Amino acid sequence: DTEVTQTPKHLVMGMTNKKSLKCEQHMGHRAMYWYKQKAKKPPELMFVYSYEKLSINESVPSRFSPECPNSSLLNLHLHALQPEDSALYLCASSQETGNSGANVLTFGAGSRLTVL
Amino acid sequence: GQNIDQPTEMTATEGAIVQINCTYQTSGFNGLFWYQQHAGEAPTFLSYNVLDGLEEKGRFSSFLSRSKGYSYLLLKELQMKDSASYLCAVRDHNTDKLIFGTGTRLQVFP
Repeated sequence: DTEVTQTPKHLVMGMTNKKSLKCEQHMGHRAMYWYKQKAKKPPELMFVYSYEKLSINESVPSRFSPECPNSSLLNLHLHALQPEDSALYLCASSQETGNSGANVLTFGAGSRLTVL
Repeated sequence: GQNIDQPTEMTATEGAIVQINCTYQTSGFNGLFWYQQHAGEAPTFLSYNVLDGLEEKGRFSSFLSRSKGYSYLLLKELQMKDSASYLCAVRDHNTDKLIFGTGTRLQVFP
């Protein structure tokens, strides 16, 4: 299995809703990432988990709450979002963090979020 | 901090060769990646350079000059399916973050 699976593919939510995005990989990767991508823009790093611990938080607002229940799963909990949070949310994984050429990120297909 | 620049858009003809340039400034360089992203899809890994020189992989090649802060992706024998965005990304040694450039949208015409 060489894939990163993200669910749901599409999500529409109101500003008062609570929802979650899910990401799963079974490649034995120990680093997992959340990126946010707006239309025609590059992916922007949000969070990095290394060995199930949060290692990087790019000053993301607290209405986004990541969770790594185990080495294969990564969640992004969403609460009280704003319309400007509408974007494609990409999950990625890699063998590890650290200075290695083997640290290639494999991306999921993304969850397209629309906040009304 | 980091600054990564690429041309916004490029066009080319099927069967031709195209070179997509990327210049970067970083406080601690630790590798440069090229990704391909079709509209609405995930970025997919194309190549990785950490030492100066050319890496060849089939129709795609990537070049790096660390002293110049410069890389290019060379696509040969272009096919219609190569129409996509091409993202240059640099890993920072100090923070271990992979930061993406603005991306180049390539359109291949018949």
